[in-house]
Amino acid sequence: NAGVIQTPRHKVTGKGQEATLWCEPISGHSAVFWYRQTIVQGLEFLTYFRNQAPIDDSGMPKERFSAQMPNQSHSTLKIQSTQPQDSAVYLCASSFTGANYEQYFGPGTRLTVL
Amino acid sequence: QQKVQQSPESLIVPEGGMASLNCTSSDRNVDYFWWYRQHSGKSPKMLMSIFSNGEKEEGRFTVHLNKASLHTSLHIRDSQPSDSALYLCAASKGGGRALIFGTGTTVSVSP
Repeated sequence: NAGVIQTPRHKVTGKGQEATLWCEPISGHSAVFWYRQTIVQGLEFLTYFRNQAPIDDSGMPKERFSAQMPNQSHSTLKIQSTQPQDSAVYLCASSFTGANYEQYFGPGTRLTVL
Repeated sequence: QQKVQQSPESLIVPEGGMASLNCTSSDRNVDYFWWYRQHSGKSPKMLMSIFSNGEKEEGRFTVHLNKASLHTSLHIRDSQPSDSALYLCAASKGGGRALIFGTGTTVSVSP
């Protein structure tokens, strides 16, 4: 089991450019979560999918951020017109669907916006 | 305001000693609590979970939960240098939902 796979591991963009982050959940897991982590804000929830359907995007900034899960094997987080305050480690997690199942985190994508 | 509060912010524990970490949620809708451990440069990994009032023990780790006060605590006995990490408390409104994290407690175990 390779665990949750995230690509790229590091991404540097210029202000105003677009960034697309990829996540491959653990095979068999039907829930996929996106979080971001910064020193100042800590670990914050962004959005999640269950069986590919968007369930809760209450943590997503309303402008510029979007997430999709086109099939059960990958999800993408897209940030348009990146800003320096978007710099963070973006973490993807997956789990089985159900009450007691833990979320397994991927290694994260470190996004730096210059 | 952070909905999940953790204390202390940091803790230094002698090797072989006991570490006690606290966590309280101000959101009365949460009912599942999780403890994650994050070593420097790594991603969080679940350590323990607790959903019912009382205590749960796994090896050197014990968690307590008081659902009335929405307070949970994690205790690490016989602390080892490998326990040095950021400990994150998380709460969720039911299982299988988004985790709301606290800002964490940094534990340093001194040899």
